[in-house]
Parts: sequence; structure tokens; C-alpha cells
Amino acid sequence: AQSVAQPEDQVNVAEGNPLTVKCTYSVSGNPYLFWYVQYPNRGLQFLLKYITGDNLVKGSYGFEAEFNKSQTSFHLKKPSALVSDSALYFCAVSVWSNTGKLIFGQGTTLQVKP
Amino acid sequence: DTEVTQTPKHLVMGMTNKKSLKCEQHMGHRAMYWYKQKAKKPPELMFVYSYEKLSINESVPSRFSPECPNSSLLNLHLHALQPEDSALYLCASSQSHREGASGELFFGEGSRLTVL
Repeated sequence: AQSVAQPEDQVNVAEGNPLTVKCTYSVSGNPYLFWYVQYPNRGLQFLLKYITGDNLVKGSYGFEAEFNKSQTSFHLKKPSALVSDSALYFCAVSVWSNTGKLIFGQGTTLQVKP
Repeated sequence: DTEVTQTPKHLVMGMTNKKSLKCEQHMGHRAMYWYKQKAKKPPELMFVYSYEKLSINESVPSRFSPECPNSSLLNLHLHALQPEDSALYLCASSQSHREGASGELFFGEGSRLTVL
């Protein structure tokens, strides 16, 4: 069965510091990996995806993520956090041979303090 | 700005009411989705329409009835709901359902439903 784990319910960082939001996955087959962000009372916004190719993926708002096949991880990173990055972040995985259903992690709340 | 539009943004209904949620996209996407989201939880897939046909029903109770009148519109008809159905209902679209596996979903802002 496919699954996604986000081990941290909340991550706190100071503005200007680098941030990492962790994600690990378990799938049979080649994974397609996604990060979405949700601001309060809003829908989900797509940040970036890994399908194939370079393990380092760059996305919106200065975010990037590194695919690590041996560690089955897809951590979200940003070199310098902004207060406006504070939001709920979801990692998600799907498998081509599946129905195309996205499996979401439980979400990680990012709090960036001035 | 989202390219998936959902109405209404807020809805309060009694357990005997009949209401509908509406979703519209004009990106030419051929797959549309309904998700249910409780506070600070991940979205839960309810239905998938692919080329206007119901492709996935995640064992959703019959008090939720989806409808896809055309490739741009998706409705969710609500009847005899329970208070535990109160949630944020998100509509999403993707280029196609198969490509939903490798292509991103575009989400609307959601309809916040409260059942009294």
C-alpha cells in the first residue's frame, strides 16, 4: 500500500533562517511526488513536483525539494524563510500504475517568526 | 488567483435541507475531483470524474451526489446531511485523470459547509 509520512506536526523557524519540512514515502513502483501549501481558509496550492530527472526540484516562491530514492524521502527546503511562508504544507505521492489517486501526508504546519 | 471557482464560499444547512456546491474550471482540464477536508487534516478524496464520467467513488454515502454536466462544471448535491459532514469541500481539476498521477491538481478555494 502507498503511504506518505510527515513526521513533524509543526516546524518553527526564525525569519531568514533555512527551513526544511520532512516527507518520506512508501510505494511500490516509481513514485510521483508533490508538495502543496495551504494558507488559512484557502484551497491547496501546488508548489513543486518530482516525476523523473534531477533529484533537486525547484518550485514556486523559492522552495525546492530533494528526491532521495535510497532514503525514500522528498524533503521541502527553502534557504531563507519568510513570515509569509507560514502555512500548512502537504506532501503527496501517486503512482502511474495506480488509479492516479494522490495520497497525502498528514501535513506540517510551518511557523516562521520575525 | 485560482482558476478553479467554487460557489458558495460558505453554506449553512439543516439536516433536512437540499443544497448544491458548484465548481467551474476553464483550463480545458478533463478530470475533476471532489475532496473533503477537516480542519488541519489532509484532503480526503470523494469522487473523480474523467471525461465527464464518474471514475472513482471512494465509498461516499449516498447523501452526497456528484454531477458533471459538462467538462467545465462539477456539482455536489447535498441531502440529509449530518453534523459530522461539516467540513471544507474542495474541488480540483487536472489535465486528465491518468495524468493526474503525474500532473498537478489545481484546487479551488473551497466551500465551507456547516450542518446544523
